[in-house]
Amino acid sequence: AQTVTQSQPEMSVQEAETVTLSCTYDTSENNYYLFWYKQPPSRQMILVIRQEAYKQQNATENRFSVNFQKAAKSFSLKISDSQLGDTAMYFCAFMPYLSSSGSARQLTFGSGTQLTVLP
Amino acid sequence: EADIYQTPRYLVIGTGKKITLECSQTMGHDKMYWYQQDPGMELHLIHYSYGVNSTEKGDLSSESTVSRIRTEHFPLTLESARPSHTSQYLCASSQGKSYTFGSGTRLTVV
Repeated sequence: AQTVTQSQPEMSVQEAETVTLSCTYDTSENNYYLFWYKQPPSRQMILVIRQEAYKQQNATENRFSVNFQKAAKSFSLKISDSQLGDTAMYFCAFMPYLSSSGSARQLTFGSGTQLTVLP
Repeated sequence: EADIYQTPRYLVIGTGKKITLECSQTMGHDKMYWYQQDPGMELHLIHYSYGVNSTEKGDLSSESTVSRIRTEHFPLTLESARPSHTSQYLCASSQGKSYTFGSGTRLTVV
């Protein structure tokens, strides 16, 4: 079984500043995917960024980048030039490369970090 | 633009009523999921399906049931709603490593 831990329930950052959200996970799998999802007040879960565990290069998507440390089982999200629209709940999630059932691959979520961008 | 649709968006219902939460996707994904999101915002998988006529229970025990008669449709039913069922329910579908979520149904049982 996998577990995902987000130790920061709430964070705030000034507009245009940089913020890093932490995530650690535990798994015995060698191949897997890690995700950061954003859930704004509208409640739609939106994919921010995805990392394949077999890739050493950290994923980046515009202002969003990750620091993936496989040995340490750490997967932090860095948001640069924070904008008011970044205010949301952020979830770290894990998905195995292959499921035990060989079919549906479940996402395991962390408890979330509420990020508030201050004007 | 969402290709997975959940209705209703909000529902307030009395104890003992039977309710069905609808979820439909237009992407042809085989795999679909229901997550329950509690007031603390953590998400827990309650049901999943990897194809027509296949359903499984998730990690979190739930009194709800699901069906998958058509690929695009994955409704969730509560036979007798109780206040403990008050929560947000998120539907999702996946193909490979890509997940798509619906906007959720906020259920309140009074």
